[in-house]
Amino acid sequence: DVKVTQSSRYLVKRTGEKVFLECVQDMDHENMFWYRQDPGLGLRLIYFSYDVKMKEKGDIPEGYSVSREKKERFSLILESASTNQTSMYLCASYSFGAGDNEQFFGPGTRLTVL
Amino acid sequence: QQPVQSPQAVILREGEDAVINCSSSKALYSVHWYRQKHGEAPVFLMILLKGGEQKGHEKISASFNEKKQQSSLYLTASQLSYSGTYFCGTDGVKISSGYALNFGKGTSLLVTP
Repeated sequence: DVKVTQSSRYLVKRTGEKVFLECVQDMDHENMFWYRQDPGLGLRLIYFSYDVKMKEKGDIPEGYSVSREKKERFSLILESASTNQTSMYLCASYSFGAGDNEQFFGPGTRLTVL
Repeated sequence: QQPVQSPQAVILREGEDAVINCSSSKALYSVHWYRQKHGEAPVFLMILLKGGEQKGHEKISASFNEKKQQSSLYLTASQLSYSGTYFCGTDGVKISSGYALNFGKGTSLLVTP
């Protein structure tokens, strides 16, 4: 019954490293999203994609980029990780008009940048 | 454009009721509600659409006041399993026939025995 998976639950990286977070969904959804979650700040949208190779900036895109080469896969890239990017990263997908338009979230990746 | 949730946190005894509010500064087409239990991913509870009916899910229901641009989530006769953080999501950037969501900061709910 797996719907949205993320490549790692926990990740520790060093400042300046390039970091890849991968997300895969098996529901054939056209829309995919990357959020970061920090205590007291809720879920903030980093980037989203509404189709293969299409991407749009969310509220906090600085320091991040994304890639969507296949419909089921959406990658978040930290070009040069910094300590202020230590956070929980959540991927989500959904399809408008399908059921209740609910977003399905992955289990999250807790990234620590040292 | 992040919606404002209140209260930030609430502690209940099992069986008590609670209301969580979500307000937006802009006109809304929809409001989504999610619950996240500790260490888990957020899970969809319900969506309320402009002009739609009040929704319900077990003993959890919600209303949507379009004029006031706000939604309320009602938890009645709370159970221990209701503990978690509740998020509302409102219309953000438009995407084709829908919207990306702006989520509130969340309301932490703890139900005690």
